[in-house]
Amino acid sequence: ETGVTQSPTHLIKTRGQQVTLRCSSQSGHNTVSWYQQALGQGPQFIFQYYREEENGRGNFPPRFSGLQFPNYSSELNVNALELDDSALYLCASSPGQGIEQYFGPGTRLTVT
Amino acid sequence: QKEVEQNSGPLSVPEGAIASLNCTYSDRGSQSFFWYRQYSGKSPELIMFIYSNGDKEDGRFTAQLNKASQYVSLLIRDSQPSDSATYLCAVDTGGFKTIFGAGTRLFVKA
Repeated sequence: ETGVTQSPTHLIKTRGQQVTLRCSSQSGHNTVSWYQQALGQGPQFIFQYYREEENGRGNFPPRFSGLQFPNYSSELNVNALELDDSALYLCASSPGQGIEQYFGPGTRLTVT
Repeated sequence: QKEVEQNSGPLSVPEGAIASLNCTYSDRGSQSFFWYRQYSGKSPELIMFIYSNGDKEDGRFTAQLNKASQYVSLLIRDSQPSDSATYLCAVDTGGFKTIFGAGTRLFVKA
């Protein structure tokens, strides 16, 4: 059974640019959540997708957007990058809502 | 603002001892509770989840939940140096949103 995978592993972008991060959920999982983790902090919830619909969102501006595809893989898009967007972006998949989530290895984004 | 609070540590215990990690949460409507372990530079790894009041044991780990007092704890018995990591408490508030604490750093001395 393949776990959660994310790509790319590392990314360096310039302020003002746009970025797309990708996540493949674990087999059998229909729910994907995205988190931002700054150094020394816990993961901060960005949003959750369930069966291709966004059904929960944290305190992030609209320039953070996402998609979930019919195979339950997902994308996180961030427009107009700011220096404070530099962080580890984590994707977690779950076999349902409100139950245990399993994290991918993360994408380290650096904005210069 | 719904919150999850943890002592940042570091919590230092000798090898073989019991490590006790605590977490409090503010939303009384919270339904599901999770403990994750995160090694430096790695992503969080699920080690325990608990949905009902009481204790849940899995190997050397025991999760304890008290909804009336709004706290959840994790006990690690026979602590090993390999248990040295940051432990994250996470709470699902029932609104399709999971809130994490900032984590407690555990150091197990050989």
